[in-house]
Amino acid sequence: GQNIDQPTEMTATEGAIVQINCTYQTSGFNGLFWYQQHAGEAPTFLSYNVLDGLEEKGRFSSFLSRSKGYSYLLLKELQMKDSASYLCAVPAVDSNYQLIWGAGTKLIIKP
Amino acid sequence: DSGVTQTPKHLITATGQRVTLRCSPRSGDLSVYWYQQSLDQGLQFLIQYYNGEERAKGNILERFSAQQFPDLHSELNLSSLELGDSALYFCASRSGGALGEQFFGPGTRLTVL
Repeated sequence: GQNIDQPTEMTATEGAIVQINCTYQTSGFNGLFWYQQHAGEAPTFLSYNVLDGLEEKGRFSSFLSRSKGYSYLLLKELQMKDSASYLCAVPAVDSNYQLIWGAGTKLIIKP
Repeated sequence: DSGVTQTPKHLITATGQRVTLRCSPRSGDLSVYWYQQSLDQGLQFLIQYYNGEERAKGNILERFSAQQFPDLHSELNLSSLELGDSALYFCASRSGGALGEQFFGPGTRLTVL
């Protein structure tokens, strides 16, 4: 089967940098998604990695290592509005039509 | 605004009742996904439709059913409601191929009293 692990909660300071890790176990691999979800709101897409390496999008970057089954989301210059849950997800091995979701990491930003 | 619409935004009902949640995908998107998210829990995939046909099933209870209509909107029917069914229900649609990102609607918050 497939499994995704993320830390449950992290705390960081405004203006700092935080790295949110995601490890996955899967017999096949079709990329990894990161989504942001503010409390009570819908998840919004952040990134999709299918090749190894770091992809940067402004203050957010996402890294993937397929050999290690590992990804991280790097948030720089943290702002209070970055307080949210960050979800990683991988497409199901037996079906490309659904995503297997991690439980999410709740990020708390303190002034 | 993702382009995915869901109605109603809020729904309060009693145990044993039946409700219908509605979703309209983004223009041109053929795939619709339904998710349940209980308080402080992760997203639980329920079911997916593609162009009117069921394509994948997750942890959907037998009391729940869904369908996608020819105009591509979808409805999720929840019956014999229990207190534990109280949750946010999200609909998402997908663009592009099988690995395209999913766009989520604003959700329907269901409260069962």
